[in-house]
Amino acid sequence: EPEVTQTPSHQVTQMGQEVILRCVPISNHLYFYWYRQILGQKVEFLVSFYNNEISEKSEIFDDQFSVERPDGSNFTLKIRSTKLEDSAMYFCASSVQGSDSPLHFGNGTRLTVT
Amino acid sequence: GDSVTQMEGPVTLSEEAFLTINCTYTATGYPSLFWYVQYPGEGLQLLLKATKADDKGSNKGFEATYRKETTSFHLEKGSVQVSDSAVYFCALFNQGGSEKLVFGKGTKLTVNP
Repeated sequence: EPEVTQTPSHQVTQMGQEVILRCVPISNHLYFYWYRQILGQKVEFLVSFYNNEISEKSEIFDDQFSVERPDGSNFTLKIRSTKLEDSAMYFCASSVQGSDSPLHFGNGTRLTVT
Repeated sequence: GDSVTQMEGPVTLSEEAFLTINCTYTATGYPSLFWYVQYPGEGLQLLLKATKADDKGSNKGFEATYRKETTSFHLEKGSVQVSDSAVYFCALFNQGGSEKLVFGKGTKLTVNP
């Protein structure tokens, strides 16, 4: 069964550095998402992406965050200048028809900012 | 805003025990409700869903009924197995322009042989 793949599985970075989290969604899916989960807290929506543009973003998704689908297969989340509070598990997801259809999640990237 | 509240974990059960994980929600309108499961080392995957009041979602022996009067969507299984050990997330999707799923905190279930 096709799956969403995320790399790396674990990223450690210093405060102020830029990180790029990578995702390869399922090939025939049209909707793409990033969620994150800070340890012990809820899974939070960050951004949704459809038709090569952001369709919705949360208040968490400020100017430090950006997303790209550079080549039709990869879907990346960039954090320009990481803060300690960005430490979390970041999940990429994709779906065929939006959030009312099943979201397929990757295994996540654990980001640790020191 | 919309929100989901799940019972706090962790939950530890013996094999063949009955499982209930409580989930209640706050939302305007008529959201769709979901249970996602995350097995160790894997991503979240959809376990079951219900889209309207009194609907029952079921999969792999798990069931949950959409109760609008109590704004609940409790997950149940009559006889758990060791392989059910995972983290279970209740979530809602509220149509009306938003693309986001709203999740609960997750409940970790451990089933011992």
